[in-house]
Amino acid sequence: DAKTTQPPSMDCAEGRAANLPCNHSTISGNEYVYWYRQIHSQGPQYIIHGLKNNETNEMASLIITEDRKSSTLILPHATLRDTAVYYCIVSPGERGQGGKLIFGQGTELSVKP
Amino acid sequence: GAGVSQSPSNKVTEKGKDVELRCDPISGHTALYWYRQSLGQGLEFLIYFQGNSAPDKSGLPSDRFSAERTGGSVSTLTIQRTQQEDSAVYLCASSFNRINYGYTFGSGTRLTVV
Repeated sequence: DAKTTQPPSMDCAEGRAANLPCNHSTISGNEYVYWYRQIHSQGPQYIIHGLKNNETNEMASLIITEDRKSSTLILPHATLRDTAVYYCIVSPGERGQGGKLIFGQGTELSVKP
Repeated sequence: GAGVSQSPSNKVTEKGKDVELRCDPISGHTALYWYRQSLGQGLEFLIYFQGNSAPDKSGLPSDRFSAERTGGSVSTLTIQRTQQEDSAVYLCASSFNRINYGYTFGSGTRLTVV
């Protein structure tokens, strides 16, 4: 599986956009980019995923570079409840199989008032 | 149920005892995963079940760990002869058998070996 590189920690002011970067320079053509987050003492929560196009849902936007070697998760208006560890994962999406996700260390995002 | 249910939520056991942890996935989810998270650490993949296929056991740390999934639904993770280093939160997740579907995680079982 391709590996990802994320900054260990980031701060963001409440109400501002949080932009979380992820490098995945060895990603292969059939691998998706997934983002999860884990709020303290809870199980991880799925946020968003993409293959090569930018994606947006009610939680966040995912911007993937054209060469697919990096991506950015954007929380448009961060709140204190968004304080969590954010994991960027790449995984093959083989047809017929969900594929296991290998979690790295993630980015600890602190949203401050 | 609406989510992935794990039981017990907390388990304290003596070193050397066997423990069983249970996971009830979301109805209809064909894929089921077990992870563990030691204090202050990231998630460590343990085992993955997909439908009727042979499970991917590549993450199990030793032969003291085993898991089964009966009837394609409930799963049990068993740890034999527990050791203190087995203390962790054990997380279960399930998903549909689709190429790009996210996982839903349970709240985990906190295992403490004393």
